[in-house]
Amino acid sequence: QQQVKQSPQSLIVQKGGISIINCAYENTAFDYFPWYQQFPGKGPALLIAIRPDVSEKKEGRFTISFNKSAKQFSLHIMDSQPGDSATYFCAASDTNAGKSTFGDGTTLTVKP
Amino acid sequence: DAGITQSPRHKVTETGTPVTLRCHQTENHRYMYWYRQDPGHGLRLIHYSYGVKDTDKGEVSDGYSVSRSKTEDFLLTLESATSSQTSVYFCAISGPPGTGVAGELFFGEGSRLTVL
Repeated sequence: QQQVKQSPQSLIVQKGGISIINCAYENTAFDYFPWYQQFPGKGPALLIAIRPDVSEKKEGRFTISFNKSAKQFSLHIMDSQPGDSATYFCAASDTNAGKSTFGDGTTLTVKP
Repeated sequence: DAGITQSPRHKVTETGTPVTLRCHQTENHRYMYWYRQDPGHGLRLIHYSYGVKDTDKGEVSDGYSVSRSKTEDFLLTLESATSSQTSVYFCAISGPPGTGVAGELFFGEGSRLTVL
């Protein structure tokens, strides 16, 4: 049973466009929702994160939208740039248990 | 960047041989993790540790064992490597529950293992 479902698997966006990646979770014990960015040959790096008592968090061009009742959250990348081309993972953490579960990842390509 | 070093970074081995991957951290974090990354499967937790000599299984622990004799080192061992264990292995650290950094993982650069 996959606890975190991520879509789409791949995404192609034109420079300046908006990239949207969606995730859904099932376990209500999750209480922290980070997004990670990974470039080829590198480890994932924390990009932005949100707690379930907040519906939206924005950091620069990156925004997380969170819908607790629907158990869904999404990453929006505004004004997408070629340098944003990477694989993005959503995650859901049960911070009391010290464990995180990841989505399968989305490969984003931003065309110049 | 978090001080996490994985070794070796690349290894090619044959089926049936033992393999040990090492993760070393300089952040003094209590929690350490081993994940494997495979195309289409994201990151899957193999084992994790919540302190020296305290370890537990993740979702894909079969065929793997771990040890943690010091806070800074977390070893992943494949007792008898199989081709299905060809993967990229990532070590990660995080702060303990109840802290501001709980739930945030900091990853190493990865160890690419090929089992022939």
